[in-house]
Amino acid sequence: KNQVEQSPQSLIILEGKNCTLQCNYTVSPFSNLRWYKQDTGRGPVSLTIMTFSENTKSNGRYTATLDADTKQSSLHITASQLSDSASYICVVIPLSGGYNKLIFGAGTRLAVHP
Amino acid sequence: DVKVTQSSRYLVKRTGEKVFLECVQDMDHENMFWYRQDPGLGLRLIYFSYDVKMKEKGDIPEGYSVSREKKERFSLILESASTNQTSMYLCASSLGGAKGYTFGSGTRLTVV
Repeated sequence: KNQVEQSPQSLIILEGKNCTLQCNYTVSPFSNLRWYKQDTGRGPVSLTIMTFSENTKSNGRYTATLDADTKQSSLHITASQLSDSASYICVVIPLSGGYNKLIFGAGTRLAVHP
Repeated sequence: DVKVTQSSRYLVKRTGEKVFLECVQDMDHENMFWYRQDPGLGLRLIYFSYDVKMKEKGDIPEGYSVSREKKERFSLILESASTNQTSMYLCASSLGGAKGYTFGSGTRLTVV
């Protein structure tokens, strides 16, 4: 069964520190892999989109990497800010099955403390 | 930017009530989706629609129905709300495939 597993489930860091969130997937082949940020009580917002042939994509202080051989992706947050406190969701879109087959991880809940 | 608007941020309904969740998008997207999100689980697809009056079941359609009478509006209907339908409901739309996939802000529904 196609799955997307994220770790850790939750994370607490101090403001200004860096952190890395992990996403392991078994979906294959896939069209693209996305990272979303979801603030509490809000809908997910896209951070990065990577095709299967890309291995890194940046959006400001957010950098996503992709290793298609090991089926792993990571989201690195640099110089964290209080506003980075949110859930981060990894989403994989299979190559076949169409747009209705987005596969979501359960998310990592990040808390940034002053 | 595409805007996907869900009519209510919070709703409290009683068991057995008929509940309507409304979603409107303003960018002429063909595809619209309804998900529910529960703690510790990824988003799960309830229903989706790829055109007016067209609908397809997702992974967890039981207890739900949908209506798409106009391209910009996609409604989720709980025919008889139950406590296990207490959840966060997210609407999304996309232009084609996964292009421009955009989520609404969500409706947190509590059934008592």
